[in-house]
Amino acid sequence: DAKTTQPTSMDCAEGRAANLPCNHSTISGNEYVYWYRQIHSQGPQYIIHGLKNNETNEMASLIITEDRKSSTLILPHATLRDTAVYYCIVREARKVRNQGGKLIFGQGTELSVKP
Amino acid sequence: DTGVSQDPRHKITKRGQNVTFRCDPISEHNRLYWYRQTLGQGPEFLTYFQNEAQLEKSRLLSDRFSAERPKGSFSTLEIQRTEQGDSAMYLCASSPKIADTQYFGPGTRLTVL
Repeated sequence: DAKTTQPTSMDCAEGRAANLPCNHSTISGNEYVYWYRQIHSQGPQYIIHGLKNNETNEMASLIITEDRKSSTLILPHATLRDTAVYYCIVREARKVRNQGGKLIFGQGTELSVKP
Repeated sequence: DTGVSQDPRHKITKRGQNVTFRCDPISEHNRLYWYRQTLGQGPEFLTYFQNEAQLEKSRLLSDRFSAERPKGSFSTLEIQRTEQGDSAMYLCASSPKIADTQYFGPGTRLTVL
């Protein structure tokens, strides 16, 4: 699985959009980009994922560059409850019986939303 | 909505003791994963089950660790002769298919004194 690079930490003002970047320059054609977040002392929470096209759900939007070498997670109106560590993960979509699609987490970005 | 549940949520034990954790996946999810997370690090993969079959194990899973999923539903993770280095959060996740989204439980925090 391709490696990802994220900033260690970011701040965002409450009510503003939080834009979290991720570089995945070695991503291959069959790898998806997944985003999870982890609020302190809780399990990781799935946010969104995509392959090529931009995606949006009730939590966030995912913008993937045309060359797929980077992506941005957008929280449109950040709240204090969005303070968490955000993980960007690239993961192979190919279904192989003995490879269960484990997630390989990096260090993530620690997002602090401030009042 | 019944998500992934884990029990206990916290466990404090003395070095050398055995501990066992339980994970109940989301109903109908036949894939189950265990991860370990130490302070300040992202979760690390330990092992994976498809139904009752354990199909992949990380090198992190030493001989003192054993995981089972006897009926393809809940899973247990046992650590024998615990060491202080085993102190961590143990996370369980489940998914309906190999490449599908994994949903995590709240974790079991183990402290070995």
